[in-house]
Amino acid sequence: KAGVTQTPRYLIKTRGQQVTLSCSPISGHRSVSWYQQTPGQGLQFLFEYFSETQRNKGNFPGRFSGRQFSNSRSEMNVSTLELGDSALYLCASSLAGARQETQYFGPGTRLLVL
Amino acid sequence: GNSVTQMEGPVTLSEEAFLTINCTYTATGYPSLFWYVQYPGEGLQLLLKATKADDKGSNKGFEATYRKETTSFHLEKGSVQVSDSAVYFCALRLIQGAQKLVFGQGTRLTINP
Repeated sequence: KAGVTQTPRYLIKTRGQQVTLSCSPISGHRSVSWYQQTPGQGLQFLFEYFSETQRNKGNFPGRFSGRQFSNSRSEMNVSTLELGDSALYLCASSLAGARQETQYFGPGTRLLVL
Repeated sequence: GNSVTQMEGPVTLSEEAFLTINCTYTATGYPSLFWYVQYPGEGLQLLLKATKADDKGSNKGFEATYRKETTSFHLEKGSVQVSDSAVYFCALRLIQGAQKLVFGQGTRLTINP
């Protein structure tokens, strides 16, 4: 069974631009979560989608948004990029979002904002 | 609020040494606890998990026991290998039906031959 895939793997943007990252979950998984990883702040939860609905959201500004499609694929968008948005963005999927379920992570998209 | 505290790194050991990475948590309720590992340039891989008090998670020689009385989930391995060099993250998940993982700051482990 294929794992979680994320595209693109690397991205360079300039301040003020916007970016869209894509995540394809493991087949059959309906819950997709996004995390931001930076050296200073560590791993922080962005949001979770389940059945095309945002179910949970972290403490990030409105410039960060996401959506999920009927096939469970998810995208996240960051508008008006800032230098501090440079990070590794990780996507994780699980079957249905139960507390004891394992989340499986993709390899991440590394975003550099210049 | 909910939080996870890991021992400060980096940790450097010789091959075949005993490893302990401390992890304590603060949570309102009964979380599930996880250890994830991140190798250079990669995403996170689940190493082991425990979903209730006194559960022991184990995988690839690593073990951790969910201790509710001390709110801890320390990671141990009896004999480390060079290939165990990575960053290790302790994490909890609390809310039923929500997938938010709360991570510790990570501990970088280097094993020298």
